[in-house]
Amino acid sequence: AQKITQTQPGMFVQEKEAVTLDCTYDTSDPSYGLFWYKQPSSGEMIFLIYQGSYDQQNATEGRYSLNFQKARKSANLVISASQLGDSAMYFCAMRPYAGGTSYGKLTFGQGTILTVHP
Amino acid sequence: EPEVTQTPSHQVTQMGQEVILRCVPISNHLYFYWYRQILGQKVEFLVSFYNNEISEKSEIFDDQFSVERPDGSNFTLKIRSTKLEDSAMYFCASRPLTGTYEQYFGPGTRLTVT
Repeated sequence: AQKITQTQPGMFVQEKEAVTLDCTYDTSDPSYGLFWYKQPSSGEMIFLIYQGSYDQQNATEGRYSLNFQKARKSANLVISASQLGDSAMYFCAMRPYAGGTSYGKLTFGQGTILTVHP
Repeated sequence: EPEVTQTPSHQVTQMGQEVILRCVPISNHLYFYWYRQILGQKVEFLVSFYNNEISEKSEIFDDQFSVERPDGSNFTLKIRSTKLEDSAMYFCASRPLTGTYEQYFGPGTRLTVT
């Protein structure tokens, strides 16, 4: 079974500053994928960034980067230069190895509400 | 850019009634999913669908739930006899055969059972 833990129910950051959202995971799969999704107040789920367990480098997508520490089983999201529009709920998610009998279902954490102050 | 669509955006129904939530996945995607999110809680996996059959389901997905791909474009979730605790946001998602296995989510259907 897979488990995702997000220990920060809420985070606050000043506009233009960087913020780190924590995510730890637990799995027995040798291969897996880690995702971050953003959910604004309107409710949709927006994909932000992906990290494969065998990727040598940490993933980056614009202002988003994923600080992947495999030995610690952590996959923290770093948002640089925060903007007011970044205020939303952020979910960390994991999928098992998508070969074999697994069809890639996502397991989500509880989420972190990020509030960006002007 | 192609996107997953869902209808209706909001459905209100009475306890015991049947509801059908509809989704149109991205056209070249082969894997389809339903998730639900009870208000203020995390997103939970319900079921995955591949090659016209259920490939995996969670313990939430009991006999009251069913999924169908009635034609080449729609993907539906049916709840036969709704309960108050079925009130939630229901998300459809799809993904292609290969790649990063990113799932593309629809905007969701908010189901309210009264």
